[in-house]
Amino acid sequence: DAGVIQSPRHEVTEMGQEVTLRCKPISGHDYLFWYRQTMMRGLELLIYFNNNVPIDDSGMPEDRFSAKMPNASFSTLKIQPSEPRDSAVYFCASSLGTGVQPQHFGDGTRLSIL
Amino acid sequence: AQSVAQPEDQVNVAEGNPLTVKCTYSVSGNPYLFWYVQYPNRGLQFLLKYITGDNLVKGSYGFEAEFNKSQTSFHLKKPSALVSDSALYFCAVRDMNYGQNFVFGPGTRLSVLP
Repeated sequence: DAGVIQSPRHEVTEMGQEVTLRCKPISGHDYLFWYRQTMMRGLELLIYFNNNVPIDDSGMPEDRFSAKMPNASFSTLKIQPSEPRDSAVYFCASSLGTGVQPQHFGDGTRLSIL
Repeated sequence: AQSVAQPEDQVNVAEGNPLTVKCTYSVSGNPYLFWYVQYPNRGLQFLLKYITGDNLVKGSYGFEAEFNKSQTSFHLKKPSALVSDSALYFCAVRDMNYGQNFVFGPGTRLSVLP
């Protein structure tokens, strides 16, 4: 079975540029989560969706960050404009809403803002 | 509010010896508890979960965890450690009264020495 697929795996760009991270969840999963991982702050939940609708975006750090889920098989996290402090590993995860199911993580996008 | 503590940043154990990675949690309702493992440059991988019932939960790769309600703990254990178990381990809690949001602990780095 294909797991959660994220692209790109690595992104290096200059400050001020727009960055778009992409995620394809596991087919049939109705929840999608975006996380950020840094050494200083650990794993932080940014936003999550249920059936393509954002449910909780309280973790989105500021207006420079936005996330969309136009359909059940695709989501994007966009940073515009990017800043060096946005450098981190960004993970997407998906899960089934029925019962108590684990979240399944992609392998992340390592983002470096110069 | 939900919270998770992993009191040890680092655990070192000799190969073949038993290992324990500690986790304590705080929730207002009944907890759902999870353990994940992260290898370098990979996403988090699900190991096991506790929902209800038997306090000893068995999971992948020979890992198990013991739920202790009075001590609000969910320690991860393995009877005989392998060098390949060396990784970063995360405990997570989901409060049954607060939807699908997981709260992750800060992680514990396990080093198994040959």
